[in-house]
Amino acid sequence: TQLLEQSPQFLSIQEGENLTVYCNSSSVFSSLQWYRQEPGEGPVLLVTVVTGGEVKKLKRLTFQFGDARKDSSLHITAAQPGDTGLYLCAGAHSGTDKLIFGTGTRLQVFP
Amino acid sequence: NAGVTQTPKFRILKIGQSMTLQCAQDMNHNYMYWYRQDPGMGLKLIYYSVGAGITDKGEVPNGYNVSRSTTEDFPLRLELAAPSQTSVYFCASIRDRVTGELFFGEGSRLTVL
Repeated sequence: TQLLEQSPQFLSIQEGENLTVYCNSSSVFSSLQWYRQEPGEGPVLLVTVVTGGEVKKLKRLTFQFGDARKDSSLHITAAQPGDTGLYLCAGAHSGTDKLIFGTGTRLQVFP
Repeated sequence: NAGVTQTPKFRILKIGQSMTLQCAQDMNHNYMYWYRQDPGMGLKLIYYSVGAGITDKGEVPNGYNVSRSTTEDFPLRLELAAPSQTSVYFCASIRDRVTGELFFGEGSRLTVL
C-alpha cells in the first residue's frame, strides 16, 4: 500500500507556466522532504519542511507543509526547461524511521 | 569524500541465481536505506537500518535480505532472483532522520532474465 500519493502523475507544460504538485497522506509525518531526480541519477534534495503550516521558498519554487502535517505542495512559478525531471516527496511517519517516497510526478517543460 | 558507494552498477542475472548488492558509506551515518525504482516510478523502500546490528523491513521486503554488521556497510542480498526484481536499486544514508538529507549512491541496475 502506497502511503504517499502524489498528483498529478504526469505534467507537460510550456515554458513560463505555473504549476503545483501535491503530496498527500492519511497519516501524520514528522517531516517531509522534496527531491528532484534526473534520468540515470539518484534523487537530490530540494527542501525539508518540519513545522505544520511551514512555507519555504527556493527561488521560483515554493513548498508548503500542511497544518496537520499530512500533506505538502510544491509550486513552481514561470517553469523553465531546466525544471524538467521527476519530483518526489518523502517522509517518515511520526514515531518511525521508515523513510518512504511518494509515487512521483514527472514534469516536462517545453521551450 | 566518497559518500555512498554502490557496486555493481550493472548486473544481469538468470532466474533463480543469487547475488549481493554492496553499499558502503564513509560519512558515519547511522541510518541506511535500500530502495528500488521501477521505470518511471517513485522509490519503494525494501529494508532499512538505524544502526549496526539493527535492520527492519520496508514496504517491499519479500525476496530480499540485509545485514548491518558495521556502521559503514549495508549489503542487500537477493536469494532467488525473479524477473519481478528487475529494477534500479538505490542505497542511501542519512545523518538525521527528521531533517537531514538523504545521500544516494549512483544506483545498481539489475536485470533478471
